[in-house]
Amino acid sequence: KAGVTQTPRYLIKTRGQQVTLSCSPISGHRSVSWYQQTPGQGLQFLFEYFSETQRNKGNFPGRFSGRQFSNSRSEMNVSTLELGDSALYLCASKDSLGEQYFGPGTRLTVT
Amino acid sequence: SQKIEQNSEALNIQEGKTATLTCNYTNYSPAYLQWYRQDPGRGPVFLLLIRENEKEKRKERLKVTFDTTLKQSLFHITASQPADSATYLCALLLNTDKLIFGTGTRLQVFP
Repeated sequence: KAGVTQTPRYLIKTRGQQVTLSCSPISGHRSVSWYQQTPGQGLQFLFEYFSETQRNKGNFPGRFSGRQFSNSRSEMNVSTLELGDSALYLCASKDSLGEQYFGPGTRLTVT
Repeated sequence: SQKIEQNSEALNIQEGKTATLTCNYTNYSPAYLQWYRQDPGRGPVFLLLIRENEKEKRKERLKVTFDTTLKQSLFHITASQPADSATYLCALLLNTDKLIFGTGTRLQVFP
C-alpha cells in the first residue's frame, strides 16, 4: 500500500502571497489531519477532515483553511503569508484503530 | 494551562543500554497516548498506542507505560542501537478527538 504523499515537497513564497498544499492519504483512510511543525512550537494541530467535513480545528487564524475531496485527498491553503508561516507542514491519515500515518511534509519558506 | 512536557535536552546513551524517555502532561484527560519517531527532514512514524485503561504495552524492543494518576508515560527502548537515534514524540488524544503533541526528545545512541 502506498503511503501518504504530499506535494510539493519544498516551496518558497513571498510575504502576502497565498499557497496551496496537497495531501493524498493512504488508500481507504478517510481521516486527514494537517499539522504545522516549527523548531520553537513543535508539532501543532491545524485541522482534521473526515468524509469531506472538517471535524476538528486547532488554534490558527482564519488565513489557514482546508478542504477534503470525495476521494479523501485534501488541500490546505494559507492566504496572506507571513514570515512566521515558514514551517514544515505535515499531513497525516488515520486508520480505524486511531493509528496515524504521516507524509514526508512540505517545507514552506516565506521570504 | 494545559501542557505536554518531554525532556527538551538530548538523551545520550551507549549502545546496548536501555533508553528511557518521559512524557508528562497536565490538565488533560487523554483517551490514549501515542509515541512517534521522527528523523530529520521526515514526517513522524507511529510506534505505539496505549489506552487510558492499559498500564503497559510492548512491541519488540519497545515498551510504553501509562500512569493516568501521575499523568506520565515512559517510553523504553531496550538493547538500544545507533539506528535508534532520532527524535521521539509523545502525543495525547483528547476527548475532543484532537491529537496534541509534545515537543519531542532527541535520542542519540553512540557505539
